[in-house]
Amino acid sequence: ILNVEQSPQSLHVQEGDSTNFTCSFPSSNFYALHWYRWETAKSPEALFVMTLNGDEKKKGRISATLNTKEGYSYLYIKGSQPEDSATYLCAFWGYGSARQLTFGSGTQLTVLP
Amino acid sequence: NAGVTQTPKFQVLKTGQSMTLQCAQDMNHNSMYWYRQDPGMGLRLIYYSASEGTTDKGEVPNGYNVSRLNKREFSLRLESAAPSQTSVYFCASSEDAGSTLHFGNGTRLTVT
Repeated sequence: ILNVEQSPQSLHVQEGDSTNFTCSFPSSNFYALHWYRWETAKSPEALFVMTLNGDEKKKGRISATLNTKEGYSYLYIKGSQPEDSATYLCAFWGYGSARQLTFGSGTQLTVLP
Repeated sequence: NAGVTQTPKFQVLKTGQSMTLQCAQDMNHNSMYWYRQDPGMGLRLIYYSASEGTTDKGEVPNGYNVSRLNKREFSLRLESAAPSQTSVYFCASSEDAGSTLHFGNGTRLTVT
């Protein structure tokens, strides 16, 4: 069983605050790191797929960075809005015995108006 | 464009009953997956199929079987349901192993 950990488990911020959360994953046999956004009563939707060390991806106010050598990724949200409230999941895909998409347990973000 | 379709949406079973969860995708994806979601545990992989004709165990395969019927369809079978299998089940597909997952809407299963 691969260890994919996310922190914090939950987070409450005020509208307009910027925030970030962490995903840590095995630093060996790395193939890809995914980020998903999961709103209540819906299905997870992909935000980013990152494959290269040093990758930075951006989608509107949300961005992510990747460090495969030390095994972590950060997700940043700039100027949080109530509609950003969701659970953010990361998932690790590896080579060899790690060749399956393993999810972290997620960070639940609540943005208060 | 339907994407990934799961049936049923809800199901209640008694301990020992069997059932099959159906999943179909219309995106011509090669890989398909079954996950279960339990509170505080995120999504855990039950089985996946990297391509038509292949299936592999994930993290929590015990008590389940799968069939990749064709490229479109990937079913999950519970032969003898147990209360520990009460969960929300998600089917997903991706173009290839490691690429973006597209999820179905989930099946909420309760075993009493």
